[in-house]
Amino acid sequence: GNSVTQMEGPVTLSEEAFLTINCTYTATGYPSLFWYVQYPGEGLQLLLKATKADDKGSNKGFEATYRKETTSFHLEKGSVQVSDSAVYFCAQEGLTGGGNKLTFGTGTQLKVEL
Amino acid sequence: KAGVTQTPRYLIKTRGQQVTLSCSPISGHRSVSWYQQTPGQGLQFLFEYFSETQRNKGNFPGRFSGRQFSNSRSEMNVSTLELGDSALYLCASSLAEGFTDTQYFGPGTRLTVL
Repeated sequence: GNSVTQMEGPVTLSEEAFLTINCTYTATGYPSLFWYVQYPGEGLQLLLKATKADDKGSNKGFEATYRKETTSFHLEKGSVQVSDSAVYFCAQEGLTGGGNKLTFGTGTQLKVEL
Repeated sequence: KAGVTQTPRYLIKTRGQQVTLSCSPISGHRSVSWYQQTPGQGLQFLFEYFSETQRNKGNFPGRFSGRQFSNSRSEMNVSTLELGDSALYLCASSLAEGFTDTQYFGPGTRLTVL
C-alpha cells in the first residue's frame, strides 16, 4: 500500500544552518505530496505542496521538489531560525479502497538552537 | 476569519464509554476531515465528509463514526472506548473535497481513556 518514510529525529541545528529532512514515498501513480508543520500545542499547518512530478513547492524559505525518479520530496531550507523549531510531516494523497486519503510520515522533530 | 474550532479541547473517559467530538470548519468550507494522532501510530486518516456525505474513509473499526451537518459542522463518535483510543484527534477543513485544496487544521481534542 501507500506509505511515506521520513528521517527520524530529532534533528538539532544551530541557527542559520542548512536544513534537509528526507522524505520518500511509495505509491501507485503520481500522488500529490505535502509538507505540514506542527508547532507545540497546535494543529498542523500546510507548509508547501507539489501536485505533479518536477514541481517545486516553496513557502517561508522552505522548498521541496517532487522527484518521481527517486520517489522523493525532501524538505530544505538554506538558513534555519529558532522559530522553525517544530515537527515536520511529509504526506501524500493516494487512493485506497475507501477513496482518497492523506498518508503521513512519522514526523521529524527539528530543534534550532542559538 | 475564524479558524477551525474543535470542542472540547480535553476529554477524559473510561473504557467502554462513548465520546462525541465536535468540529466547526472555517466559514464557507464544505469539506471536513478527521485524523487520529498517537505517538505509536503517528497521524492516521479517519474519514472525510463533504456536503453531509462521507467521501473517504481510513482503516478504522466501525466503533469510529462521524457525520456532517448542513452547516458543515462535523462530529465524530467513538463507541466502546478502548485504552488505545487515547490520542489527539485533529479536524481539518477545506473548500473542496479531496486533499489538493489546502486543509486548515484545528488545535485538536486530546482524548484520554482510563
